[in-house]
Amino acid sequence: DTGVSQDPRHKITKRGQNVTFRCDPISEHNRLYWYRQTLGQGPEFLTYFQNEAQLEKSRLLSDRFSAERPKGSFSTLEIQRTEQGDSAMYLCASSPRDSYGYTFGSGTRLTVV
Amino acid sequence: TQLLEQSPQFLSIQEGENLTVYCNSSSVFSSLQWYRQEPGEGPVLLVTVVTGGEVKKLKRLTFQFGDARKDSSLHITAAQPGDTGLYLCAGARETSGSRLTFGEGTQLTVNP
Repeated sequence: DTGVSQDPRHKITKRGQNVTFRCDPISEHNRLYWYRQTLGQGPEFLTYFQNEAQLEKSRLLSDRFSAERPKGSFSTLEIQRTEQGDSAMYLCASSPRDSYGYTFGSGTRLTVV
Repeated sequence: TQLLEQSPQFLSIQEGENLTVYCNSSSVFSSLQWYRQEPGEGPVLLVTVVTGGEVKKLKRLTFQFGDARKDSSLHITAAQPGDTGLYLCAGARETSGSRLTFGEGTQLTVNP
């Protein structure tokens, strides 16, 4: 297990289409996070799981966004009816329960045209 | 309102120079972390500081957490081109659980 994996690395989609991203965290990490980063900004928190439970959601996560972590392992982030404003880097991170530090994946770069 | 403000936003220096990046807030953080990010990649954790007044050193990098746990600084000695990247500070507030609040980042360019 070499780190946090995200798939795909890049996604170009037409406005109005649905997209789904996958994150595979480090296997021993029970916490998983999704962040969004736009150009020139720091990452913004979207949501957080501990095992399979979604414990916190940002108000940035509109009803078009949904995240799941069905078996407490990998997670998916789905965006329905994509808009141009959804274009960003979507970052996944994981951490052990009693640690402050995150390990981030390389991200999925979404471009909505 | 940006909870964590980083300065400067951009910094371009020559190899061998020293530099300091600042991260300031009006809020108290239970811990503060520094990350470095390269284009097209996720941030990589450099250090975590948790105690007010704490100083940590990582080779040529020195990190300090303010006594009141509201601010932090990153000092790089004798910068090298390999230090080029986006430096992000991120704080965890006791009331926000595991959520991190990131600053906007400092883009550092070290010219050979």
